[in-house]
Amino acid sequence: RKEVEQDPGPFNVPEGATVAFNCTYSNSASQSFFWYRQDCRKEPKLLMSVYSSGNEDGRFTAQLNRASQYISLLIRDSKLSDSATYLCVVRDRAGGYNKLIFGAGTRLAVHP
Amino acid sequence: EAGVTQFPSHSVIEKGQTVTLRCDPISGHDNLYWYRRVMGKEIKFLLHFVKESKQDESGMPNNRFLAERTGGTYSTLKVQPAELEDSGVYFCASSQGQGGIAEAFFGQGTRLTVV
Repeated sequence: RKEVEQDPGPFNVPEGATVAFNCTYSNSASQSFFWYRQDCRKEPKLLMSVYSSGNEDGRFTAQLNRASQYISLLIRDSKLSDSATYLCVVRDRAGGYNKLIFGAGTRLAVHP
Repeated sequence: EAGVTQFPSHSVIEKGQTVTLRCDPISGHDNLYWYRRVMGKEIKFLLHFVKESKQDESGMPNNRFLAERTGGTYSTLKVQPAELEDSGVYFCASSQGQGGIAEAFFGQGTRLTVV
């Protein structure tokens, strides 16, 4: 079983649509959770951290359910510029230090 | 301020040759990470430096891969001899502080193709 699992997509949505991505992780001891965005042939960039209480940043809302080991990202009012791959990322602690564990990513294509 | 820079951006080499990738982290970042993405797979952790010391190299695939971070500044990742399955995008990331919990910033990656 993969450490972080995501639906690879692609999700093809029209501008203005609401789209939701889900992610599950296998290590119940995982400490921190993130969504990264990666544009084609670019580096991953932090989109937002994910907290148990849920958090929102403009059109983006992230949720964490520790009991179910489940993370979600909701994008409202999709823009063409939202087209990218969204990476679910978990921070695991090993030997006193932390490393990021990536999901394979979910591709989003927003069309006019 | 300059971000994480990697060199070269692309490299095409023949099987059996040697390639050295370089990463310059953000100035002052003690933590430096190497990650790799092979075609169709997720980004995978390779190793983590804290300053010049290898903190965690559990992700290094085999002894054909050698990473160094001289003086705790830039890092190199050497593949010798390269095999076809080493093709992929190699990302470097850096972060501040103790324990590697701060935000990690990624370089644009080196796309390695072994033919």
